[in-house]
Amino acid sequence: KAGVTQTPRYLIKTRGQQVTLSCSPISGHRSVSWYQQTPGQGLQFLFEYFSETQRNKGNFPGRFSGRQFSNSRSEMNVSTLELGDSALYLCASSFQGFADTQYFGPGTRLTVL
Amino acid sequence: GQNIDQPTEMTATEGAIVQINCTYQTSGFNGLFWYQQHAGEAPTFLSYNVLDGLEEKGRFSSFLSRSKGYSYLLLKELQMKDSASYLCAVRDGLAGNNRKLIWGLGTSLAVNP
Repeated sequence: KAGVTQTPRYLIKTRGQQVTLSCSPISGHRSVSWYQQTPGQGLQFLFEYFSETQRNKGNFPGRFSGRQFSNSRSEMNVSTLELGDSALYLCASSFQGFADTQYFGPGTRLTVL
Repeated sequence: GQNIDQPTEMTATEGAIVQINCTYQTSGFNGLFWYQQHAGEAPTFLSYNVLDGLEEKGRFSSFLSRSKGYSYLLLKELQMKDSASYLCAVRDGLAGNNRKLIWGLGTSLAVNP
């Protein structure tokens, strides 16, 4: 089976812009979770989508949003970018949910200037 | 509250054995995961423990003591490629939407020749 894929791998944006990241899960996985990873904070859970519905949400501001399509592919959007949004954004898929074994994609490295 | 503690950094010598500890405090423990993350790459699943005892997988073993809120990952016959960050994650809560994963900040292991 193909693994989790994420596009793009690298992004450079400026403050105030918005960005959309894409994730394709492992075939058959209906749960897609998004994480932000920074050196100081580690892995921070953003949200989980399951069968096109947001099922769980972390403690991030409303500027961070997402959606999932009927083929389980997911997108994450960050509006009004801030310098502190610079991070590695990881997508993970799972068969049952975000509290089960996670299979991570390679991540999108976002730099906000 | 909910908390996971891991050492920030460890060093070891090629061919040796190293033990990476993880202590946790959660309200409803329901399993513990270990992931490996090489620099610039995605985390990959290593092991899962839900019952007390030792789980062995080749050179890697993971131990759990639920009464002590303690786990360790044991790496034997260290190789240079084992240089990576090792993440401990605890599943908290019963089945269903109340479950969540709590992530440690990771232990950066450097294996020296």
